[in-house]
Amino acid sequence: KNQVEQSPQSLIILEGKNCTLQCNYTVSPFSNLRWYKQDTGRGPVSLTIMTFSENTKSNGRYTATLDADTKQSSLHITASQLSDSASYICVVRGDNTDKLIFGTGTRLQVFP
Amino acid sequence: DVKVTQSSRYLVKRTGEKVFLECVQDMDHENMFWYRQDPGLGLRLIYFSYDVKMKEKGDIPEGYSVSREKKERFSLILESASTNQTSMYLCASSGTYSYNEQFFGPGTRLTVL
Repeated sequence: KNQVEQSPQSLIILEGKNCTLQCNYTVSPFSNLRWYKQDTGRGPVSLTIMTFSENTKSNGRYTATLDADTKQSSLHITASQLSDSASYICVVRGDNTDKLIFGTGTRLQVFP
Repeated sequence: DVKVTQSSRYLVKRTGEKVFLECVQDMDHENMFWYRQDPGLGLRLIYFSYDVKMKEKGDIPEGYSVSREKKERFSLILESASTNQTSMYLCASSGTYSYNEQFFGPGTRLTVL
């Protein structure tokens, strides 16, 4: 069964600290993986997309990694800011389909 | 900027009522999607559409129907609302290719009493 699992479920960090969110998937065949950020009361917004051949991609303070062999991805946030408080959702697309498999998200809270 | 708008941010309905949720996108996207989001369950696909008047069932279509009469508009219909349909409903749209991002609307939080 195609699944996407994220850990931790929730995370609390202090402003300025770094953190790493994890995503494991069993989707096969694999096409791409996106990390979305969802602010409270808003729809998800894409942060980055990873394809099979990509290992690392950065978007400002966000760095995503992908290990297609172990089917794992991580999202590293550097020097966290209060505005990083949100849910981060890992989403995987299988090959030859428009349907996405969503993780349940990691809720990040950044405190001053 | 892609814009996906939803007709209501918050909606309160009574059991048995017919409910319409409207979604409009302004980027001429072919694909449109309706999801519901519940705590601990993530986003689940209700219905999607590849083109005008086309619709495909997602993972949880029971109790819902959809309508796509124009390319930019995709409506979700709850024929007879029930309390277990209380949820956040998210609409999304995307272009044709597999790498295309799905752009989400702000969501409608529906409460069925």
